[in-house]
Amino acid sequence: DTGVSQNPRHKITKRGQNVTFRCDPISEHNRLYWYRQTLGQGPEFLTYFQNEAQLEKSRLLSDRFSAERPKGSFSTLEIQRTEQGDSAMYLCASSLAPSRETQYFGPGTRLLVL
Amino acid sequence: AQTVTQSQPEMSVQEAETVTLSCTYDTSESDYYLFWYKQPPSRQMILVIRQEAYKQQNATENRFSVNFQKAAKSFSLKISDSQLGDAAMYFCAYRKGSGGGADGLTFGKGTHLIIQP
Repeated sequence: DTGVSQNPRHKITKRGQNVTFRCDPISEHNRLYWYRQTLGQGPEFLTYFQNEAQLEKSRLLSDRFSAERPKGSFSTLEIQRTEQGDSAMYLCASSLAPSRETQYFGPGTRLLVL
Repeated sequence: AQTVTQSQPEMSVQEAETVTLSCTYDTSESDYYLFWYKQPPSRQMILVIRQEAYKQQNATENRFSVNFQKAAKSFSLKISDSQLGDAAMYFCAYRKGSGGGADGLTFGKGTHLIIQP
């Protein structure tokens, strides 16, 4: 399978714990995006990378959130001190540069914070 | 900031018939892209169709076509010969054209499409 993959697919955690999600993009794609989708809503953009550089961050990305793409391949999204409001589906997408290229989405990681 | 509005939370159509999903957007940009994505239950989001704002011709992909009205900032999706597999959430999305910054997609809230057998 050469699509975007995300792990884990589901995560249940207790409030205050840290969680980390991983995204593996389509192999030749140099852009990688993170989105958050809450129930009944469309996805909301969080951040994106071109290769290893993080080029844009949404105001939704609070200080408790950090994303990395150290070697320009896979990316991780960490949430520190989780809150119940962090419960959502976290989606990863990848594309080729430039901007006109289509973003392809992974299956998402569903986070539930108790 | 750009906004995307889908005014139909839910639509229902008989199998084999045609349905149109509405989308309007607000932007001050002249160069941008519009997309319709499909998200089946518990499955990943897939691209249905895309439209470049500079192209006057409406995009078509098999049974899926769009009606792009740039002046009205309207971008509707028509699904012909609806099939049971078309049942899903449909999201309209906007993306600014190249020129720096704002590379993320802006999505509407989605329309839940039900196909009646």
